[in-house]
Amino acid sequence: AQSVTQPDIHITVSEGASLELRCNYSYGATPYLFWYVQSPGQGLQLLLKYFSGDTLVQGIKGFEAEFKRSQSSFNLRKPSVHWSDAAEYFCAVGENDYKLSFGAGTTVTVRA
Amino acid sequence: NAGVTQTPKFRILKIGQSMTLQCTQDMNHNYMYWYRQDPGMGLKLIYYSVGAGITDKGEVPNGYNVSRSTTEDFPLRLELAAPSQTSVYFCASSRGGGNEQFFGPGTRLTVL
Repeated sequence: AQSVTQPDIHITVSEGASLELRCNYSYGATPYLFWYVQSPGQGLQLLLKYFSGDTLVQGIKGFEAEFKRSQSSFNLRKPSVHWSDAAEYFCAVGENDYKLSFGAGTTVTVRA
Repeated sequence: NAGVTQTPKFRILKIGQSMTLQCTQDMNHNYMYWYRQDPGMGLKLIYYSVGAGITDKGEVPNGYNVSRSTTEDFPLRLELAAPSQTSVYFCASSRGGGNEQFFGPGTRLTVL
């Protein structure tokens, strides 16, 4: 069965600083990989996804993620964080585009 | 387009009561999903549907039932509410075929 680990429960970052959120997965083949963001009181919004091809994927809001098969990782990055990036971020993995397994989430706090 | 809508937004139930969480999407998506989100646990898939008349269990189906009589609607039924069902419930939909899931705003349910 597939599983997802997000090692960091909470990250605090200064506005303008870079951000990296870690995601490790367990799955036998190359899975479908997603990053979602959830603002307080809202549903989830897709940031980016990886199915195949170029291992560096670009998403919305200036985010990017890199798939590393050898490390079973799909880390999310942003070069310069804005206050509006404060939210909870979820990594998800699936053998297809449904029946996804979500990580426990990483809460990002942005300080001025 | 309204996207995915869920009603109610909040609900308090007594143990043993029943209720139906409503979910409607206006994007003509074939795939629909119900998740629950518990603090620190990420999202868990309860049930999903790949089209009208077709439903299947997810990771945590016990205590819940679903039906899919139309493409637009995917209600979730709790028959005998238990405190363990206190959670935030999200409905989502997708076109399938590798496309993203769109989430509703959620229903916060408390069972006392």
